[in-house]
Amino acid sequence: EPEVTQTPSHQVTQMGQEVILRCVPISNHLYFYWYRQILGQKVEFLVSFYNNEISEKSEIFDDQFSVERPDGSNFTLKIRSTKLEDSAMYFCASSMDGINQPQHFGDGTRLSIL
Amino acid sequence: AQKITQTQPGMFVQEKEAVTLDCTYDTSDQSYGLFWYKQPSSGEMIFLIYQGSYDEQNATEGRYSLNFQKARKSANLVISASQLGDSAMYFCAMREGLSGAGSYQLTFGKGTKLSVIP
Repeated sequence: EPEVTQTPSHQVTQMGQEVILRCVPISNHLYFYWYRQILGQKVEFLVSFYNNEISEKSEIFDDQFSVERPDGSNFTLKIRSTKLEDSAMYFCASSMDGINQPQHFGDGTRLSIL
Repeated sequence: AQKITQTQPGMFVQEKEAVTLDCTYDTSDQSYGLFWYKQPSSGEMIFLIYQGSYDEQNATEGRYSLNFQKARKSANLVISASQLGDSAMYFCAMREGLSGAGSYQLTFGKGTKLSVIP
């Protein structure tokens, strides 16, 4: 069964550095999402992406964050000038349509900011 | 107000027994969807079951069923014949109406930690 792939599984970065989290969504999916989960807390929406542009973003997704789909297969989340509070599990998700089909999640990237 | 409420932070169930995990939701939309995800200790998010607001039948997927009571705004997950591998966090999530073209983000509850006892 096709799946969403995220790399790396774990990223350790010094505070202030930039990180890029990578995702390969399921190939025929059209809607892409990033979520994050701070340890022990619920999953929070960051951003959705459709038709090569951001369709919605949460208040968490400020100027520090950006997303790209550079080549039709990869979907990346860039975090500039990382802060300690950016430490979390970051999930990429994709779905075929937005309404009735489930969002399939990758296994996540655990980001640790030192 | 919380959009998704899961009132049980933790639940225990004996192996082979059935268990119900509660979820209530709050929305003024007519069109919405409800999802349940399982998160084992390894951290991945596994889709279990989906219920659309217009679906008249309760959703079922193998040992999982969704007890959808629209008037009460509840969407409880029922796991039958619990197995040790069912021990995990379970999250209820909602996709609200057509919030905008191309955006159907999920709002998650805080989760219920299920422990299956042998």
